[in-house]
Amino acid sequence: DAEITQSPRHKITETGRQVTLACHQTWNHNNMFWYRQDLGHGLRLIHYSYGVHDTNKGEVSDGYSVSRSNTEDLPLTLESAASSQTSVYFCASSPLGGRTDTQYFGPGTRLTVL
Amino acid sequence: DAKTTQPTSMDCAEGRAANLPCNHSTISGNEYVYWYRQIHSQGPQYIIHGLKNNETNEMASLIITEDRKSSTLILPHATLRDTAVYYCIVTLGGTSYGKLTFGQGTILTVHP
Repeated sequence: DAEITQSPRHKITETGRQVTLACHQTWNHNNMFWYRQDLGHGLRLIHYSYGVHDTNKGEVSDGYSVSRSNTEDLPLTLESAASSQTSVYFCASSPLGGRTDTQYFGPGTRLTVL
Repeated sequence: DAKTTQPTSMDCAEGRAANLPCNHSTISGNEYVYWYRQIHSQGPQYIIHGLKNNETNEMASLIITEDRKSSTLILPHATLRDTAVYYCIVTLGGTSYGKLTFGQGTILTVHP
């Protein structure tokens, strides 16, 4: 069955280190999204992509970057991790066209920055 | 995108219908109403969406008022596994498509 996976599921890192969170989907969806979820803030959009080589900044993009070299993957990189980036990160994908807002979410990655 | 208002929490007895309201009084004519839910420690899950007409799928029904200023998500026979946070989202599409704005949602607790 088609699915969307995230790895690692849990990550502990130190301030200043570079961290990359992986997201992989097998639906062949054009659109992919990264969100973070914190208590009191709900889900907030970090970056999104509408296709290969396309990337866009979301609501809270500072300190994060993404690249889209193929349809299946959208890795999220924290260039220099900060304690404020401790959060749960969710990746999502959606098909092109009329159901673009029907997003399918991964299981999440819990990131702790010490 | 139009702002939505939902109750903070609701309770429902197992086996009964759960009716979750959402107010979106500033919705415009081309904006859709989407519902997602998030079970504890899991990623959000798409439930249903609609524009003007009522919609039903295997998970739920969506009732949208004629003036489109409010809607109700109905889980016809709630189970304990339906305990989750339910998000009502109004989306514009077009240049804003895919950029969902999740509010605080409604915490639905289904009791035995």
